Amino acid sequence: EAGVVQSPRYKIIEKKQPVAFWCNPISGHNTLYWYLQNLGQGPELLIRYENEEAVDDSQLPKDRFSAERLKGVDSTLKIQPAELGDSAVYLCASSQQGADTQYFGPGTRLTVL
Amino acid sequence: AQSVTQPDIHITVSEGASLELRCNYSYGATPYLFWYVQSPGQGLQLLLKYFSGDTLVQGIKGFEAEFKRSQSSFNLRKPSVHWSDAAEYFCAVGSTSGSARQLTFGSGTQLTVLP
Repeated sequence: EAGVVQSPRYKIIEKKQPVAFWCNPISGHNTLYWYLQNLGQGPELLIRYENEEAVDDSQLPKDRFSAERLKGVDSTLKIQPAELGDSAVYLCASSQQGADTQYFGPGTRLTVL
Repeated sequence: AQSVTQPDIHITVSEGASLELRCNYSYGATPYLFWYVQSPGQGLQLLLKYFSGDTLVQGIKGFEAEFKRSQSSFNLRKPSVHWSDAAEYFCAVGSTSGSARQLTFGSGTQLTVLP
């Protein structure tokens, strides 16, 4: 069974440019999470989806970050415009609805110059 | 709100030596506790989890962890470390929000294994 897929794996952009990350969860997983992991820190939740509904986006900086999961499967996280402080790893995870275990993708490492 | 403290930022052990990584949590109810491992360039892989029952939990790759409510701890152990265990280890506490678990992670412990 394929795991959580993320792309791109690495992205380098200049500040003020837009960037998007894509995530394909494990088949059948209704719940999808986006996490931000700064260097030397643990992941922090940005947003959680139950199917296509964002049920917890309280930690998402909505002035520049947006996310969507239109058909309840794949998801895209966007930053526009990117700032230097956005350099980090963006992790996607998924789980079966109500399940306790989250499965993580390899992440996208973003560098903003 | 829940929180997790991993007091050791970096630990170095020799291959074959025993290992203990510390984790302390703060949570108002019975916690759901997890240990994840992250190798360079990889996502987080679940090592083990505790929800209830036996306080000594066995995981993958020969790891185990012991839940001690009195000490608010969930330390990870391995009797004999292998070079491939070098990675970053994260402890997390889970809470319930609706139908899903919310994970709060510690800041991680980087493990170096000497030959």
